Amino acid sequence: ELKVEQNPLFLSMQEGKNYTIYCNYSTTSDRLYWYRQDPGKSLESLFVLLSNGAVKQEGRLMASLDTKARLSTLHITAAVHDLSATYFCAVYNPIEETSGSRLTFGEGTQLTVNP
Amino acid sequence: DTGVSQDPRHKITKRGQNVTFRCDPISEHNRLYWYRQTLGQGPEFLTYFQNEAQLEKSRLLSDRFSAERPKGSFSTLEIQRTEQGDSAMYLCASSLAELGDYTFGSGTRLTVV
Repeated sequence: ELKVEQNPLFLSMQEGKNYTIYCNYSTTSDRLYWYRQDPGKSLESLFVLLSNGAVKQEGRLMASLDTKARLSTLHITAAVHDLSATYFCAVYNPIEETSGSRLTFGEGTQLTVNP
Repeated sequence: DTGVSQDPRHKITKRGQNVTFRCDPISEHNRLYWYRQTLGQGPEFLTYFQNEAQLEKSRLLSDRFSAERPKGSFSTLEIQRTEQGDSAMYLCASSLAELGDYTFGSGTRLTVV
């Protein structure tokens, strides 16, 4: 059974600082997603990483994927208050029997950026 | 297209009552998923449809839960004899098989009192 672990689960940081959120997963997958969720809201897609070595950047966020290490990182550069939210990684998990798929989510990292 | 729509946004029900939620996916998406999210946790997979066929159900989906997608377009998720443990956010997502990018709806927040 695929397990996805994020760390840290809680992150409080000051504006202007850099930090990295880690996402480890237990079985082979070549596709990983990052989502942002604000309190009481649904999931906003941030990045889709489709292959080993994939790196994507949007504003102050950069995500990477190492499928051999089964690790993805979400790096925050010069954090601002507006980035405060919960961030989830989700690993693509194909279902061979039905040619379907599902996403298996980590527990989430609750990020608070303080002025 | 306005994305994935879910209705209602909020539902408060008494324990033992039945509830039904609706999801309208992005029109050209042939895959539809239901997830459940409890407070402080990541979403958990419940079930998925490819067109009108329900191809996968999680062990989380007890026999009180049933989902349909009768014409391969919108889907409904019904919970019978609700329990307090059913209180959660129920999220619907859709995707095109080829692209594999999942779009989530705003969710239905269920509170069982």
